[in-house]
Amino acid sequence: KAGVTQTPRYLIKTRGQQVTLSCSPISGHRSVSWYQQTPGQGLQFLFEYFSETQRNKGNFPGRFSGRQFSNSRSEMNVSTLELGDSALYLCASSSQGNNSPLHFGNGTRLTVT
Amino acid sequence: SQQGEEDPQALSIQEGENATMNCSYKTSINNLQWYRQNSGRGLVHLILIRSNEREKHSGRLRVTLDTSKKSSSLLITASRAADTASYFCATDGGGSYIPTFGRGTSLIVHP
Repeated sequence: KAGVTQTPRYLIKTRGQQVTLSCSPISGHRSVSWYQQTPGQGLQFLFEYFSETQRNKGNFPGRFSGRQFSNSRSEMNVSTLELGDSALYLCASSSQGNNSPLHFGNGTRLTVT
Repeated sequence: SQQGEEDPQALSIQEGENATMNCSYKTSINNLQWYRQNSGRGLVHLILIRSNEREKHSGRLRVTLDTSKKSSSLLITASRAADTASYFCATDGGGSYIPTFGRGTSLIVHP
């Protein structure tokens, strides 16, 4: 099976812009989670989608949003970018989400200047 | 906030030696997982241990769980240079099954 695919691999944006990141999960996996990884905060949970519904949400401002499509592919959007949004954004899929191991993509490295 | 915290933050050893990393957590859990992350890449799942299990093995990896002390350890035996990576524990708990990650242990294995 193909692994989790995240695009693009790198992004450079300017403060105030918005960005959309994409994630294709492992075939058959219905749960997709997003994490933000920074040196200062480590891995922080953003949200989880299951069958096109947001099932869990982390403690991030409303500028961070996401969605999941019927084929389980997911996108996350960050609006009005801030310098502090610079991070590695990781997407992970699992078969059920509930106590199932996560399979991560290689992430999208976002730099905000 | 982090549920699990790894210790030590950094570990440097020679090839062939064993590496032990520890994870402590705060609230009761259903399971604990260990992941590895190579520089600039995604995390790779290593082992999941459930709260009713005390020890689990996978190849050169051995994980123990002590729920009374709220701690776990990951032992890598006969380490190789390719084991150089960051290792994270992830716990559910606090009423949520969402894995919460610690800050990781950075392991360097010198050839």
